[in-house]
Amino acid sequence: QKEVEQDPGPLSVPEGAIVSLNCTYSNSAFQYFMWYRQYSRKGPELLMYTYSSGNKEDGRFTAQVDKSSKYISLFIRDSQPSDSATYLCAMDFGTGNQFYFGTGTSLTVIP
Amino acid sequence: DAGITQSPRHKVTETGTPVTLRCHQTENHRYMYWYRQDPGHGLRLIHYSYGVKDTDKGEVSDGYSVSRSKTEDFLLTLESATSSQTSVYFCAISDYGSGANVLTFGAGSRLTVL
Repeated sequence: QKEVEQDPGPLSVPEGAIVSLNCTYSNSAFQYFMWYRQYSRKGPELLMYTYSSGNKEDGRFTAQVDKSSKYISLFIRDSQPSDSATYLCAMDFGTGNQFYFGTGTSLTVIP
Repeated sequence: DAGITQSPRHKVTETGTPVTLRCHQTENHRYMYWYRQDPGHGLRLIHYSYGVKDTDKGEVSDGYSVSRSKTEDFLLTLESATSSQTSVYFCAISDYGSGANVLTFGAGSRLTVL
């Protein structure tokens, strides 16, 4: 069993839709939770970063962590064509040397 | 890409030849990492460094070696490249210990081994 599971999609939505991206994990010791966005042929860029449980909002993006269910989510409101990318979840124990990534979900927002 | 430069960005080589990828950072971060990204596997850690001359293995370190002689440079070497090492390689840095426990990635180096 992988440490982090993420549905690869692809996910296709119309412009303006609310998008929900999710990851599940198996190790309850994870403390830091991240979402990265990766455009085609580019490096991943950090979108959201959360420590422990709870919600965090940044503009159109909301990250949620539910440690009791070992489940994290990224919501994108009012999705735009420029949001079309692959979204990677990542998490770590807080030790700095071992980050675990999901395989990524490919999102296309149709104008 | 936030002060991280990878070179070369693209390389085609033949099986059995040595290859070195370079990562250079201007952020003075202590931690540096090499990942490879493959379809269906996501990002997998090859090696990481937590200081000059301090390195350790990651999940997929076989066939790779690294060196870090200066804070700003982290080299990844494939001593004898194989076709299974065809991949996109990403360097990342982290300011772990300062509170910002996240990775910042370079633009990637696309390696093809024929």
